[in-house]
Amino acid sequence: GAGVSQSPSNKVTEKGKDVELRCDPISGHTALYWYRQSLGQGLEFLIYFQGNSAPDKSGLPSDRFSAERTGGSVSTLTIQRTQQEDSAVYLCASSLGQPRSYEQYFGPGTRLTVT
Amino acid sequence: KNQVEQSPQSLIILEGKNCTLQCNYTVSPFSNLRWYKQDTGRGPVSLTIMTFSENTKSNGRYTATLDADTKQSSLHITASQLSDSASYICVVYSSGTYKYIFGTGTRLKVLA
Repeated sequence: GAGVSQSPSNKVTEKGKDVELRCDPISGHTALYWYRQSLGQGLEFLIYFQGNSAPDKSGLPSDRFSAERTGGSVSTLTIQRTQQEDSAVYLCASSLGQPRSYEQYFGPGTRLTVT
Repeated sequence: KNQVEQSPQSLIILEGKNCTLQCNYTVSPFSNLRWYKQDTGRGPVSLTIMTFSENTKSNGRYTATLDADTKQSSLHITASQLSDSASYICVVYSSGTYKYIFGTGTRLKVLA
């Protein structure tokens, strides 16, 4: 079946512009995660959606970052007034349920470059 | 502080050789530990998952070990192939914070 998909695969933007990154999780997966992977760094947790519960936003680095998940499926990560330090690969993952018990499946990521 | 440290940072081996990657963690409370393989330009893919009571788990040529007392894990790759060239990431799930803690990975390159 189809895996997690993300778009665009690459995004180059000018400093100060807003960007939107999209994630299509595996159908039926109730949990969705966003991570950021900077060069030479481990994956950094950004936000976690589980079903209809309020999202865990504790990893968002600043108020310029926001995410939403519409209809319990597609998610969009928005970065406003982008800065050069936002340059990274943004990975989305989904799982059937609670992270303790279910495997995460990752998308291919979106490589964001802020010039 | 919850941390996951991996060593070595990078490794180069010849095709057919074995290698072992290390992972030390300070995550508490511990729930499970996963090893992921991440090919360049792709998302991580799970290799193994181990809970507190498991000491070893295999997936083909990949064998993971876990020592919950010393908080160490290893990933052993047998008879390496060119396709094993990738980053290998150790991830610990904390049942206290309900989050995954990722290591920075070991970048493995297998040469013909």
